[in-house]
Amino acid sequence: GAGVSQSPRYKVAKRGQDVALRCDPISGHVSLFWYQQALGQGPEFLTYFQNEAQLDKSGLPSDRFFAERPEGSVSTLKIQRTQQEDSAVYLCASIPPTAGVGEQFFGPGTRLTVL
Amino acid sequence: GESVGLHLPTLSVQEGDNSIINCAYSNSASDYFIWYKQESGKGPQFIIDIRSNMDKRQGQRVTVLLNKTVKHLSLQIAATQPGDSAVYFCADPVSGNTPLVFGKGTRLSVIA
Repeated sequence: GAGVSQSPRYKVAKRGQDVALRCDPISGHVSLFWYQQALGQGPEFLTYFQNEAQLDKSGLPSDRFFAERPEGSVSTLKIQRTQQEDSAVYLCASIPPTAGVGEQFFGPGTRLTVL
Repeated sequence: GESVGLHLPTLSVQEGDNSIINCAYSNSASDYFIWYKQESGKGPQFIIDIRSNMDKRQGQRVTVLLNKTVKHLSLQIAATQPGDSAVYFCADPVSGNTPLVFGKGTRLSVIA
């Protein structure tokens, strides 16, 4: 596809359930970011990959959050034992190889609702 | 710490009028700013950026002004159209290739 894709677009989970959110970046984009966007707020950084290397995970709110990008393309954000406060839109963004950090191409997000 | 924020949470303008969305930042070392537009149900979309060695940059129907003295930037949209209705964020990378810090956002509503 032409843009960043994310799946599923919507996810409803019961509290305590594990979830996995997928991001397919634009082909050739080496840098990939995950953000969490609560309702009415701006996106907040979670973690950053360059190729398969996770260079920064300082934004992950707890050890229940885990992200991987094993082959340097598709990335998965996993949340274990989901809590109601995890309800948010999870955005993935990728950057072309020669572009600056501001030129992030965002996917449509996955809206996670934890009941 | 880093802080990027917006003065007004909502803005309503008549179609055809100009819109001005404001943003304040606290880190005087910030040297690069980006404006994003986020439509309902979509991810943010890059609009325009500006570096601190400039005080004005123009794009198609948009102009960003940077006032480093008061640490303020604004996004001006000329001849606002219904398709401009969205939430607008200013963002600032903390440094280098680190992630963006987004403000809370301003919701722009265009009245036809």
